Amino acid sequence: EPEVTQTPSHQVTQMGQEVILRCVPISNHLYFYWYRQILGQKVEFLVSFYNNEISEKSEIFDDQFSVERPDGSNFTLKIRSTKLEDSAMYFCASYTGSLSGYTFGSGTRLTVV
Amino acid sequence: DAKTTQPNSMESNEEEPVHLPCNHSTISGTDYIHWYRQLPSQGPEYVIHGLTSNVNNRMASLAIAEDRKSSTLILHRATLRDAAVYYCTRGSNYKLTFGKGTLLTVNP
Repeated sequence: EPEVTQTPSHQVTQMGQEVILRCVPISNHLYFYWYRQILGQKVEFLVSFYNNEISEKSEIFDDQFSVERPDGSNFTLKIRSTKLEDSAMYFCASYTGSLSGYTFGSGTRLTVV
Repeated sequence: DAKTTQPNSMESNEEEPVHLPCNHSTISGTDYIHWYRQLPSQGPEYVIHGLTSNVNNRMASLAIAEDRKSSTLILHRATLRDAAVYYCTRGSNYKLTFGKGTLLTVNP
């Protein structure tokens, strides 16, 4: 069964550093997303991406965050200057837009120290 | 954001049916109802979704109330591998909104 692949599985970074989280969505999917989940809390929507542009974003997705689909296969989330409160699991997801549901990756655990 | 409301936890015995309820009284007419489940340290896994009619797939059944203000996920025969947090979400192509979910415990 096709999968959404996320790398790295775990990243530790110092506060103030830039991080890029990478995702390879399922190849025939049209919609792409980033979600995050702080330990013990619910899954929170960050941003959705369709037709090479952001289609919707949450209040969490401020100027420190950006997304890119640089080469038609990868989908990245960049955090420009990480804060301690950015520590969370970050999930990438993709969706065909029709018969099935969203497919989520296994996540990247980001730890900001 | 319109909310979904689910019980915090439910318990079931192995090989018995499980009915997981969800209220989504403010859902818009175009939002689908999606159900996902999540095991510890894993991403959410799609279970089933629907708009107005009841739906069946290999994992579960989804019963949607006629007024669309509530739905029920039905696991026909629970197994130990079904123990997870189950999320009822409302959404569109652009966004799914997750609530706190129901922690399902399956007893052997």
